[in-house]
This record gives sequence, C-alpha cells and structure tokens, in this order.
Amino acid sequence: DTEVTQTPKHLVMGMTNKKSLKCEQHMGHRAMYWYKQKAKKPPELMFVYSYEKLSINESVPSRFSPECPNSSLLNLHLHALQPEDSALYLCASSQVGTQQETQYFGPGTRLLVL
Amino acid sequence: GNSVTQMEGPVTLSEEAFLTINCTYTATGYPSLFWYVQYPGEGLQLLLKATKADDKGSNKGFEATYRKETTSFHLEKGSVQVSDSAVYFCALRINSGNTPLVFGKGTRLSVIA
Repeated sequence: DTEVTQTPKHLVMGMTNKKSLKCEQHMGHRAMYWYKQKAKKPPELMFVYSYEKLSINESVPSRFSPECPNSSLLNLHLHALQPEDSALYLCASSQVGTQQETQYFGPGTRLLVL
Repeated sequence: GNSVTQMEGPVTLSEEAFLTINCTYTATGYPSLFWYVQYPGEGLQLLLKATKADDKGSNKGFEATYRKETTSFHLEKGSVQVSDSAVYFCALRINSGNTPLVFGKGTRLSVIA
C-alpha cells in the first residue's frame, strides 16, 4: 500500500476561521511533508517532519501551524488566512533513509479563502 | 545551489506521436532524479526515478536516462495517448531521504485525438 490520504478534499473558509487539514499514511514512513501548490506552479515546500520532529520550516507565516501527533499523522492548522493562501495543499511522506527514497504524495486539499 | 530546469510548455501532440520533455539539473553532489506526473485535479504521482549515472527509469511506456555528463534526465515516450495529458515535473533530491525534493517548473502536455 503506497497511499497517502488527505482530508478534506475541498475547504472554503473565511479569513477569521480556524480549520485543520489532515494527512495520514500507513507505510511506516518517518518523514512527512507539507507543500503548497498554486495554479500552474510546482509544489513549494512548507514544512518537513522527521521522526515526528519539525526539521524544516521554510519561513512559513505563523498563521500556518503544523503538528505531527504520531508517526502516521500530520496536521496543518490554519488560522486567520488571507485570500492569497488559496491553493492546493499537498502532503507527502517518505522513508528517511537515503536520497533514493521515493516521496509519495496525497491527492491534496484544495483550499479557498474568502 | 540545486536546481532543475524543464522545457517550457505547453506541449501539444497528436495521439501516437513521440514525446520528449527536456530536463537538466544543477546539483552540488550526485542527486537522485525523479519524474512526477500530475493529472488534472489530483496530487503528484511518481512516474519513474533513477538514482545513479546511466540508470534508466521506466514506467507505463515512459523512459528517462540519468546522464551525468550532460546533467540531464529527459523524459521520452514512443507513442502518447490522450490519457497522458497531464503536467510533468522533473525533480531531484540530494543528501538523504528526508530532504525535500527540488522541482522544475513543470511541463503541461496535451494530447489530442
């Protein structure tokens, strides 16, 4: 099984709302990632967790707050977002191992901020 | 730094035509190289990969060969189908398994019947 699942598939939120995106994998991967993808652009890295610890934060605004409660789950908490945060949010996972490891992506959550 | 350059799209081909999407890279060491495909409205799927020089990755009729001398990893398919219409991303990773991928800008392919 090489599946990464993400919920919800679509999300519409106002600028004052608080919401969370969820990601789950059962491949035993110990590295998990959040990417943001705008239309017609490649994914941009936001965060990397390695062994449930935040290892990379690409200077993401604090209105995005990641959480890795266990080795299978990754959350992204959203608060006071701006319309320019509307995008496809992709979760991915991989073995930590070597650079040869494949990174597996979920289907994404399409977020619209009004 | 590490970077990936892909040919600009969009690329429009007729069904059964030959496909080449060029990809070149710059890296501080010896990266692993990947091609991902993104179908409309979906996430990214690994299409193929190669982890050392002269390796050939292949899947679903697509092929790419890791060429260290030209720092390239061009994607090819002998006969495209309408169902191959998607965005293709070339990517590299260096150092270890929990370092993020470095993506090219993506190439949109449209195949018409």
